[in-house]
Order: sequence, then structure tokens, then C-alpha cells
Amino acid sequence: GENVEQHPSTLSVQEGDSAVIKCTYSDSASNYFPWYKQELGKRPQLIIDIRSNVGEKKDQRIAVTLNKTAKHFSLHITETQPEDSAVYFCAASKGGGADGLTFGKGTHLIIQP
Amino acid sequence: EAQVTQNPRYLITVTGKKLTVTCSQNMNHEYMSWYRQDPGLGLRQIYYSMNVEVTDKGDVPEGYKVSRKEKRNFPLILESPSPNQTSLYFCASSLQAGSYGYTFGSGTRLTVV
Repeated sequence: GENVEQHPSTLSVQEGDSAVIKCTYSDSASNYFPWYKQELGKRPQLIIDIRSNVGEKKDQRIAVTLNKTAKHFSLHITETQPEDSAVYFCAASKGGGADGLTFGKGTHLIIQP
Repeated sequence: EAQVTQNPRYLITVTGKKLTVTCSQNMNHEYMSWYRQDPGLGLRQIYYSMNVEVTDKGDVPEGYKVSRKEKRNFPLILESPSPNQTSLYFCASSLQAGSYGYTFGSGTRLTVV
């Protein structure tokens, strides 16, 4: 089955700096790659997603890039703010989401004031 | 309000006593899935469903059953719970088309003693 590796497991950045979280996937048939943010004690919430026919997608301070050849995708957060502190999960799906999601193990993002 | 509702939110039970965690969505979503979340392991998929009467195993299906008799409901059944099934469980649902991602329920924290 699909395997998603996520790095780093913990990332500490100064407020205002950029943060980058990287994921690799194993199944070249995967075609949908969402990112979820989970605050302490809360449910995961979708922050951005990308499909395999697109190389990059942006939404204000958040962007995701996808390299299908390398089977690699990344989350970029610019101008980080204290409210960005959370655990971030990448995920992959072969069926555009129909077969559910295979998640990475998560990155704990800490924004230092 | 569009939402995924799980019940109960918290449950403590004893080994071997059958239990059901209910999941219901009011968004007419085709896709539904169950995940368990454990420290250091992230979110792992238990079962998923693409539509009524269509279910399939995820990455960690052992010890669990599901059914999808109606579009809105996707219960998770533990026939004989064991302590290693102590975890935080999330149900999620998604539209078939578009890039809307999965909406997660609030979670069920299960403890098996």
C-alpha cells in the first residue's frame, strides 16, 4: 500500500520567518495530496490540497508544491504567526480521495515569539 | 450546519465488550472513512467507504468492522475490544467531486481496560 514519509517531526521557527514541511510518497498512482492542521485537542482541518495535474497551489500565506517525478510534495508557510503553531499532516490518495487518505506522521510546528 | 457527528465523545469500556461508535454526516457526502490517531504514529486509516454498501479495508482494519447501509451513517464496530485499541478515533467524509477535502468529526476517545 501507499507509504507517506514526513519531515521534520518538529520544526521551530521565529515569528515572521518561513516554514517548510516535506513529504514523500511511495505509490506513483497517488493523485491527491491534502495538508491538514491539527491544533491541540481539536480535529484535523484541511488547509490546502493539490491534485497531480498541478505543480503548485497558493492560498494567501500557504503554498503547496508537487514534484511527481520525485514523488515529493511540500508545504510552505510564509510570514509565520503564533496561530500557525500546530501539528501539520500531509496525506496522499490514489483515488482522488475516494479510497480515503494515507497520512504522514505529522510535524509539530512551533512559532517562537 | 454542515458537520460530521460522532458519538460518544469519550468511552471507557472493558476488554471483550462489544461497542459501536456512530458517525453521521449531513452533507450528502459519498466518501466516508475512519481513522485512529496514536502518539507518534499519526492518523492511520481503518476502513473507508465510497458509497452505500461499498466498504474496504484501510491500513489497520484488524479488530474492526464497519457498515454503510445509508449514505449519511458509517458506524465503527469493535466486536471484542482489546487494550491495544485504546486510541482517539476520527470519522471523516468528503464529496465525490471537486477539491473540498475530508471534513473530520470531533473525535471519540476510547479507553479499553
